[in-house]
Amino acid sequence: AQSVTQPDIHITVSEGASLELRCNYSYGATPYLFWYVQSPGQGLQLLLKYFSGDTLVQGIKGFEAEFKRSQSSFNLRKPSVHWSDAAEYFCAVMFSGGYNKLIFGAGTRLAVHP
Amino acid sequence: EAGVAQSPRYKIIEKRQSVAFWCNPISGHATLYWYQQILGQGPKLLIQFQNNGVVDDSQLPKDRFSAERLKGVDSTLKIQPAKLEDSAVYLCASSLEGVGVGRRTGELFFGEGSRLTVL
Repeated sequence: AQSVTQPDIHITVSEGASLELRCNYSYGATPYLFWYVQSPGQGLQLLLKYFSGDTLVQGIKGFEAEFKRSQSSFNLRKPSVHWSDAAEYFCAVMFSGGYNKLIFGAGTRLAVHP
Repeated sequence: EAGVAQSPRYKIIEKRQSVAFWCNPISGHATLYWYQQILGQGPKLLIQFQNNGVVDDSQLPKDRFSAERLKGVDSTLKIQPAKLEDSAVYLCASSLEGVGVGRRTGELFFGEGSRLTVL
């Protein structure tokens, strides 16, 4: 079955530290991959997406993600976290050959200490 | 460009009552989605429309949930009767391309959601 896994429910980092949020998917082919961010009381905002080509993609707010086919992973990274990055982050996968159906992981809640 | 509009933002009802949520997608977007997001979980797709037709409602609890998208624009999601476990945020999203379009940008644009509390 198609699935998306975000192994870390909560992550806490210090401001200025680097960040990596993990995402793994289960699917027989390469899906389209997304990271969304959700601030409290807000809707979901797209950070970045991967369809094909260069496996390292750049997004907004200084985020990047790397697609690793061998590991079925699409981890999100940021070299230096700002206090305003505290939010919930969702990895999402759109499986090709379907109806543009977007499936979300359970999310990782990021806390940033000053 | 206006974003996805949803109303009401908040709704509190008692179990067994009914409730309806409204969504106005971005103008020209062919595909409209309703997601349910229970506290502490990722959004779960309830139903997906392309124009005014349903393309996926496999996870919609059809005994109590219904949705329609008249004229391929606005959409309403109704719950009747509500249960305690329906307490969640209901997110509406839209995307430009429809099913089968050759080039997919894949980006969904989300509204701010409608938070439902069932007592």
